[in-house]
Amino acid sequence: KQEVTQIPAALSVPEGENLVLNCSFTDSAIYNLQWFRQDPGKGLTSLLLIQSSQREQTSGRLNASLDKSSGRSTLYIAASQPGDSATYLCAARRSNDYKLSFGAGTTVTVRA
Amino acid sequence: GAVVSQHPSWVICKSGTSVKIECRSLDFQATTMFWYRQFPKQSLMLMATSNEGSKATYEQGVEKDKFLINHASLTLSTLTVTSAHPEDSSFYICSARDLSTGGKRYSNQPQHFGDGTRLSIL
Repeated sequence: KQEVTQIPAALSVPEGENLVLNCSFTDSAIYNLQWFRQDPGKGLTSLLLIQSSQREQTSGRLNASLDKSSGRSTLYIAASQPGDSATYLCAARRSNDYKLSFGAGTTVTVRA
Repeated sequence: GAVVSQHPSWVICKSGTSVKIECRSLDFQATTMFWYRQFPKQSLMLMATSNEGSKATYEQGVEKDKFLINHASLTLSTLTVTSAHPEDSSFYICSARDLSTGGKRYSNQPQHFGDGTRLSIL
């Protein structure tokens, strides 16, 4: 059974600082890994999806890396802004399966 | 972009009531939809996979008689929490798989999530 862990559970930084969010998974036989953003009381917004054959994906200030062999993915957010305050979830999709295994998330607060 | 609408967004009801939650894909077809449950500060847990025109597949530990799922069309799945009790209070989120993108390899098809339903049972 795939277990996904996100550390830290919460993070508070001043505006402008770069953010580093960690995600680890126990089963390296994943098809892809996805990062989501969740605002309080809301659903999920997909940020980045990394296929198992890829090492990283970038979108604007966001960059996600994937190291399957070590079971880790990292989400980098450059020059953080107060609007980046949210909970960030990672989810691993099993090979040949559509089911997602989610981490508990990292709640980020960016102080103005 | 693909939009999934979930209704209602928030419901409060008395213990013993049955509550129906709708999940609609607004601009794409979805033969498969997923229902998740999320407790505060915890991860999303997959409850069941809803398949259009057939029975839902439930995850281990989820009571199928408690959480009734119906997927009658390519754009609508419903989750009914029967005889709800306070321990059923949670945040329920659906997602839908877009058939039209991702090429032939079905695993590339992205999931699009609804905004969730906050269920509070008194």
